[in-house]
Amino acid sequence: QVQLVESGGGVVQPGRSLRLSCAASGFTFNIYAIHWVRQAPGRGLQWVSVISYDGMNKYYADSVKGRFTVSRDNSKNTLYLQMNSLTAEDTALYYCARSYSGGYSSWFDLWGQGTLVTVSS
Amino acid sequence: DLQMTQSPSTLSASVGDRVTITCRASQSISRWLAWYQQKPGKAPKVLIYKASSLDSGVPSRFSGSGSGTEFTLTISSLQPDDFGTYYCQEYNSYYTFGQGTKLEIK
Repeated sequence: QVQLVESGGGVVQPGRSLRLSCAASGFTFNIYAIHWVRQAPGRGLQWVSVISYDGMNKYYADSVKGRFTVSRDNSKNTLYLQMNSLTAEDTALYYCARSYSGGYSSWFDLWGQGTLVTVSS
Repeated sequence: DLQMTQSPSTLSASVGDRVTITCRASQSISRWLAWYQQKPGKAPKVLIYKASSLDSGVPSRFSGSGSGTEFTLTISSLQPDDFGTYYCQEYNSYYTFGQGTKLEIK
């Protein structure tokens, strides 16, 4: 079954850290760029980050640059998002999404179900 | 920064109606545009890519058009299952999404 499954969300205090995971199955993980996209409660979609198929290239939205780090372990078919210095504005449902092609200029053809991150004291 | 602006923000229409949603980019994105449908509590699902290509399994009542800075998503005959929120997304630069159009069935 072709799918992405996120995990690692939860409630965290402002200023603390959290690591999200995205486990892929049913397809050849190491040929796809993978994105993180978030959606604050009741709000629209916001792109967060992308990592190339080999992990060599990473890009971030300005709102998370310097605080979030994306990585992947192709031997485990898993994507990660390390989130540091969290603020209330980071509260959202975090999705991982597959880029249709191995490159960057592509739409997102497969999404996970999301994992909820709540930043609150 | 590139901005994507959708209109309208909300839309109420009846079954059988022809529905059009517009998406405007603040700078040219050629045809690097996708449309997604999101149902409550679910992940987005791609409908259209490259501005006008229908994704596999998407009903033919959905169509997309446009290039450069102006794009439209059209539902030729609205069905009850078409409720939800629709997002445009550019993938020419940093994957910016429009703010969404919430479609309600009357």
